[in-house]
Amino acid sequence: DSGVTQTPKHLITATGQRVTLRCSPRSGDLSVYWYQQSLDQGLQFLIQYYNGEERAKGNILERFSAQQFPDLHSELNLSSLELGDSALYFCASSPAGRPQETQYFGPGTRLLVL
Amino acid sequence: AQSVTQLGSHVSVSEGALVLLRCNYSSSVPPYLFWYVQYPNQGLQLLLKYTTGATLVKGINGFEAEFKKSETSFHLTKPSAHMSDAAEYFCAVTAYNNNDMRFGAGTRLTVKP
Repeated sequence: DSGVTQTPKHLITATGQRVTLRCSPRSGDLSVYWYQQSLDQGLQFLIQYYNGEERAKGNILERFSAQQFPDLHSELNLSSLELGDSALYFCASSPAGRPQETQYFGPGTRLLVL
Repeated sequence: AQSVTQLGSHVSVSEGALVLLRCNYSSSVPPYLFWYVQYPNQGLQLLLKYTTGATLVKGINGFEAEFKKSETSFHLTKPSAHMSDAAEYFCAVTAYNNNDMRFGAGTRLTVKP
């Protein structure tokens, strides 16, 4: 158990809909990362937050957005969902958000768009 | 930007045999290199990482990796495979000026009894 929690575990929705994925980092970690894992694209970095502020951005679509709240939990919002958004979405956390730090991954949210 | 290439999407070894999973990186600045393992229906777990200092890095579960700058490689090895090592292994890279962690495509390790 990494100490990172993600909810929900599974999500099934329809095209065009909007969903919110939630992540709680390990106790004491200030930085949160979001990743998408799919069969065709592999593991892709989406976005990183540190203490409530966006720190780095990867291959995140404009239809996706994220935020980190004062209690340090984070939410990833996916809107206008398409079939191709079906994937496993991971959240990870690290103490200070530095590139050399170990990232601790949550168990993931499996999203299926029908 | 950095990138990694994992050679071999599937590797199969017998129990007790040497495990060798290959990773080559590309980076215009000194890289930070990581190996993560993913068991079925679970998140990723760090096996080991190289940031600075000693180029031979030892990790959990008997795994180790050597950073070879001249070969731009960071191959993962374990002297003797166990059945419990069967999983997907990912090599990843970042750098001091880049938080965008880039993962390889992964190598699925199968261990035969």
